[in-house]
Amino acid sequence: DAGITQSPRHKVTETGTPVTLRCHQTENHRYMYWYRQDPGHGLRLIHYSYGVKDTDKGEVSDGYSVSRSKTEDFLLTLESATSSQTSVYFCASRDSLTSTDTQYFGPGTRLTVL
Amino acid sequence: KQEVTQIPAALSVPEGENLVLNCSFTDSAIYNLQWFRQDPGKGLTSLLLIQSSQREQTSGRLNASLDKSSGRSTLYIAASQPGDSATYLCAAYVHSGGGADGLTFGKGTHLIIQP
Repeated sequence: DAGITQSPRHKVTETGTPVTLRCHQTENHRYMYWYRQDPGHGLRLIHYSYGVKDTDKGEVSDGYSVSRSKTEDFLLTLESATSSQTSVYFCASRDSLTSTDTQYFGPGTRLTVL
Repeated sequence: KQEVTQIPAALSVPEGENLVLNCSFTDSAIYNLQWFRQDPGKGLTSLLLIQSSQREQTSGRLNASLDKSSGRSTLYIAASQPGDSATYLCAAYVHSGGGADGLTFGKGTHLIIQP
């Protein structure tokens, strides 16, 4: 594994509150990703980063923002959480975009929005 | 848009059997295809990665094949064991050249190996 940690691992919050999830990697990987996993949908890409301060939207980016001020940290923010954002969130990283390079995943954060 | 489908959604077999998990994808211009394992409440562990130029990859009792022309990949598990029980995910990577697009995942096959 690529030494990816996520915090918090579990969080319960109320609708309308802001929430920030943190992803930290120790492998100096350039590319980082946020996915959400929901029953019946599988994993879907929210946002990704291709370098410090370089980010872009994925398939399901509405309601989410990200920031990457350091190579090792990638933050996912829900500005005003909604019940539809209850999910398990996974962070991932990879070193390069070559066809031989794999993507490594963190342990996930289970978020419940009441 | 790439779509990835996995069949079956769930599978239960007795210990010791050989089994095949199927994955199909719609865009044959994939860069590589990965098989992951996910245990309940855990993250994803990469099992095998097949580059677009390869036909198969092997790791221990696992063998993954790739047929780009038909848009299919299979994961073969030999001599299954109860410890193989998990959800297996297939993911296709299409490199658009414009950025670091993520993987497109199937919904997974939930595998139970009965002791």
